[in-house]
Amino acid sequence: GQNIDQPTEMTATEGAIVQINCTYQTSGFNGLFWYQQHAGEAPTFLSYNVLDGLEEKGRFSSFLSRSKGYSYLLLKELQMKDSASYLCAAYNFNKFYFGSGTKLNVKP
Amino acid sequence: GAGVSQSPSNKVTEKGKDVELRCDPISGHTALYWYRQSLGQGLEFLIYFQGNSAPDKSGLPSDRFSAERTGGSVSTLTIQRTQQEDSAVYLCASSPPGAGGTDTQYFGPGTRLTVL
Repeated sequence: GQNIDQPTEMTATEGAIVQINCTYQTSGFNGLFWYQQHAGEAPTFLSYNVLDGLEEKGRFSSFLSRSKGYSYLLLKELQMKDSASYLCAAYNFNKFYFGSGTKLNVKP
Repeated sequence: GAGVSQSPSNKVTEKGKDVELRCDPISGHTALYWYRQSLGQGLEFLIYFQGNSAPDKSGLPSDRFSAERTGGSVSTLTIQRTQQEDSAVYLCASSPPGAGGTDTQYFGPGTRLTVL
């Protein structure tokens, strides 16, 4: 079976840094996606990691360790608009296995 | 350009009735996915279409669920004899052709289904 775990909810302060972790156990694995989903809206793509290491894209970075089945999304200089759910998804041969999402609350 | 569109945006139906949900993918996208998202939950994969290949139906929860994709474009998800546990947001996503199919998905706004 497929198992994708991430924390249910996190709270952080505007301007701070927050790390959202994701662990996965899948029968096959090609890469790891992160999506952002604001309440009542569709998910939007943030990042995709295939190789081990850190991928940086502006205020957002994503890390992958294939040997550990572990990824994290790092958000820097938090803004109020970053309040949303963050979904990690393990990708395997045309299928996406999503975690339940981490709801991030950014406070002033 | 136009994104993925879905209709209706909201659907309220009575238990036992059939419903059809429609998805118009981005033009030129060969892959199309259907997901279900219950309140506060992640996305549950339902079905995947790739070009003219046979669809991957492994995520459909029961034989009450079926989906078609006509002409490699528009897709319809049909739920027969709806049950209250079918209430959820149904999301459609499409992806462009790409090496290994690793291109990201572009999601539609979803259809919120409520079964009374």
